[in-house]
Amino acid sequence: DIQMTQSPSSLSASVGDRVTITCRASQTISNYLNWYQQKPGKAPNLLMYGASSLQSGVPSRFSGSGSGTDFTLTISSLQPEDFATYFCQQSYTTPHTFGQGTKLEIK
Amino acid sequence: QVQLVQSGAEVKKPGSSVKVSCTASGGTFSRYSFSWVRQAPGQGLEWVGRIIPVLNITNYAQKFQGRVTITADKSTSTAFMELSSLRSEDTAVYYCAREMFVDHGTYYTFYYGLDVWGQGTTVTVSS
Repeated sequence: DIQMTQSPSSLSASVGDRVTITCRASQTISNYLNWYQQKPGKAPNLLMYGASSLQSGVPSRFSGSGSGTDFTLTISSLQPEDFATYFCQQSYTTPHTFGQGTKLEIK
Repeated sequence: QVQLVQSGAEVKKPGSSVKVSCTASGGTFSRYSFSWVRQAPGQGLEWVGRIIPVLNITNYAQKFQGRVTITADKSTSTAFMELSSLRSEDTAVYYCAREMFVDHGTYYTFYYGLDVWGQGTTVTVSS
């Protein structure tokens, strides 16, 4: 199975900050990398697919990059509603494994 | 607006089985796969398996092989996940989610992410 490792596991930031979360795959996954946001008690919400494509309806302050094994999710200017947990997921081969998550908290 | 509506919460005894349903409304069933993802209390997301109903193809995570069966009823646009030999570690919220696939003839690619999710079904395994 492909292992997905996110860093950091948690992060404290302030409204207006620029934040970057990284995700590393244990083997190459081309650009088959998705990012999700999850708030407590809710289902995850797709933010990015194909490493850098913004899902419809997602604000443009979210962006993604990377290919191969190393990927990043960037939030250009944090808004209060962005404090949540973020997961990466590879869809290159089954099982479509997830990273362990990054909890973004208010500083 | 496409929605995935899951069946209600379940409480099960260790060793028993649970079957969770996921009904799609407001969109076509045929161009999508349906994955099951679970989340234990306070934990991350774990991919369980998926079905491509139009092709009747299933894939399961090795961890669940032999214990999980994912099926679909195209006539009712409903996917099902059955998990057997339940143990306390299976206590989790189980989500279904839709993903579009691209048919290349001899293989399929999954590029567009899990774009619609069900509301989740809590399965509690307790004696």
